Amino acid sequence: KQEVTQIPAALSVPEGENLVLNCSFTDSAIYNLQWFRQDPGKGLTSLLLIQSSQREQTSGRLNASLDKSSGRSTLYIAASQPGDSATYLCAVINAGSSNTGKLIFGQGTTLQVKP
Amino acid sequence: GAVVSQHPSWVICKSGTSVKIECRSLDFQATTMFWYRQFPKQSLMLMATSNEGSKATYEQGVEKDKFLINHASLTLSTLTVTSAHPEDSSFYICSARRVNQPQHFGDGTRLSIL
Repeated sequence: KQEVTQIPAALSVPEGENLVLNCSFTDSAIYNLQWFRQDPGKGLTSLLLIQSSQREQTSGRLNASLDKSSGRSTLYIAASQPGDSATYLCAVINAGSSNTGKLIFGQGTTLQVKP
Repeated sequence: GAVVSQHPSWVICKSGTSVKIECRSLDFQATTMFWYRQFPKQSLMLMATSNEGSKATYEQGVEKDKFLINHASLTLSTLTVTSAHPEDSSFYICSARRVNQPQHFGDGTRLSIL
């Protein structure tokens, strides 16, 4: 059974710092991996999606990497800003679930960027 | 593009009443819609997956008679919490997707049962 784990559960950094959020998954047979952002009381916003054949994706100050064989992904945030404060969720779709698109989520990392 | 609207965003009602939450895909036809429940400071828990025109598939431990899901069209799915009780209070989120496309999420509904 696929399990997704995110470390740390919470993180507080000063503004301007570069930071890394970690995500690990137990079954390497995935279809894709996605990073989401969730603001308090809101739904999810997709940040980056990495297909199983890809190693990384970039969008602005965000870079996500995927090492499928070791079951790990990282989300790198450069030059963090107070507006980056949110909960970041990692989710995978198993290879056998590509038709249903069923996401399996980690517990999330709550980030606070202090001005 | 790919906007999902969820309504209402917040509802308070008395114990024993039924509450309906709507999820609409505004600019695309959603072949599949998902309903999630989220407790404070926890991740999303998938409740059920619904495909247009067919019965929803519920995850283990989710009471199908308690949480009624209807997906009558390619742009609308509803979740009805029947005879709601305080323990049903939670944050409910829907998502929608086209075939082989990523899920797009609504903004969630905060349900409070008094």
